[in-house]
Amino acid sequence: QLVQSGAEVKKSGESLKVSCQGSGYSFTSYWIAWVRQMPGKGLEWMGIIHPGDSDTRYSPSFQGQVTFSVDMSINTAYLRWSSLRASDTAMYYCVRIIGGPETPPNWFDPWGQGTQVTVSS
Amino acid sequence: QSALTQPASVSGSPRQSITISCTGTNSDIGKYNLVSWYQQLPGKAPQVIIYETSKRPSRISNRFSGSKSGTMASLTISGLQAEDEAHYYCCSYAGSSKWIFGGGTNLTVL
Repeated sequence: QLVQSGAEVKKSGESLKVSCQGSGYSFTSYWIAWVRQMPGKGLEWMGIIHPGDSDTRYSPSFQGQVTFSVDMSINTAYLRWSSLRASDTAMYYCVRIIGGPETPPNWFDPWGQGTQVTVSS
Repeated sequence: QSALTQPASVSGSPRQSITISCTGTNSDIGKYNLVSWYQQLPGKAPQVIIYETSKRPSRISNRFSGSKSGTMASLTISGLQAEDEAHYYCCSYAGSSKWIFGGGTNLTVL
């Protein structure tokens, strides 16, 4: 399972790091994706990170806006902002990416419970 | 890259069948058989209900099925139940380690 850190309330311009800790599987063997869900809106793929080597790919929409990182020693992935904006207010999910025996990683399971980030201006 | 296109809402009566469409392009749905579907119950995290276009996790009811034709994928729910009321999202692999979600469909069970 994936367990995320708790809700955060921040001001514009502040920094923030949310966490996602994996358990019950080999954490370093599977890519982790981050997904944003703005209030009342749909799911948006932000990018992925491989815990084994920190290889990272960002969606063009989020490149330069956030940073992914990993601490293998505690099976934890992180999503970080250096300067929050009100438009970052959303629920953020981490999720493992799985593939089949003959397919590359392509579907998302399991999902973390989500971290609500609220940014006031 | 724009989101995959889903109807904003669909509805059906108990025991009926409904289908939710998901339209993409030849760069995503049309190119890969790697479409997945997610159910998001109110206030909950999404969960996978269909992966690799038509496969179903063992824990998911066989009332859920997926298919694809060209650049359009579909999710069919048969024998509709009140507990199926939720938001449903399609997702496709889009190459180069990128994914794209649909805008989501709100299913109402009348």
